[in-house]
Amino acid sequence: KAGVTQTPRYLIKTRGQQVTLSCSPISGHRSVSWYQQTPGQGLQFLFEYFSETQRNKGNFPGRFSGRQFSNSRSEMNVSTLELGDSALYLCASSFAGGGTDTQYFGPGTRLTVL
Amino acid sequence: QKEVEQNSGPLSVPEGAIASLNCTYSDRVSQSFFWYRQYSGKSPELIMSIYSNGDKEDGRFTAQLNKASQYVSLLIRDSQPSDSATYLCAVNGDDKIIFGKGTRLHILP
Repeated sequence: KAGVTQTPRYLIKTRGQQVTLSCSPISGHRSVSWYQQTPGQGLQFLFEYFSETQRNKGNFPGRFSGRQFSNSRSEMNVSTLELGDSALYLCASSFAGGGTDTQYFGPGTRLTVL
Repeated sequence: QKEVEQNSGPLSVPEGAIASLNCTYSDRVSQSFFWYRQYSGKSPELIMSIYSNGDKEDGRFTAQLNKASQYVSLLIRDSQPSDSATYLCAVNGDDKIIFGKGTRLHILP
């Protein structure tokens, strides 16, 4: 079974730009969660999508948004990029989500904001 | 705000010894507990999940759960240099998985 895939793997943007990251979950998984990982803050929860609906959301500003498609693929968008948005963005998929079952992570997208 | 606490380390353990990693959590109703390993520059990979009080063994790894004390641990027997990584404890709470900041483990050859 193919694992979780994320594209692109690396991105360099400048302040004020916007960016879209993509995540394809494991086949059969309907839940996709997104995390931001920085050295100081660890893994911080952004949001979870399940069956095309946002089921949960972390404490991030509205510049961070996401969506999920009918094939369970998910995208997250960050608008008006700030230097502090530089981080590793990870998506994780699971069958049921909601914190009830195991999450499997993709390789991540390394975003650098200049 | 539900929390998961881990000692950040680094924890240095001689090769061949037992490494013991600990984690406490704040949500008394948590039911799902996970340990992930993360190598530098890589994404977290699942080591074990545990849902019931007691021990769960998988190869060189043993997870221990004590819900009364809100404590979960991971033991790594016969530690190898390849075990050097950051270990993340994760617990369910508020309808999501909450991660600790991780413990850096360094196996000394």
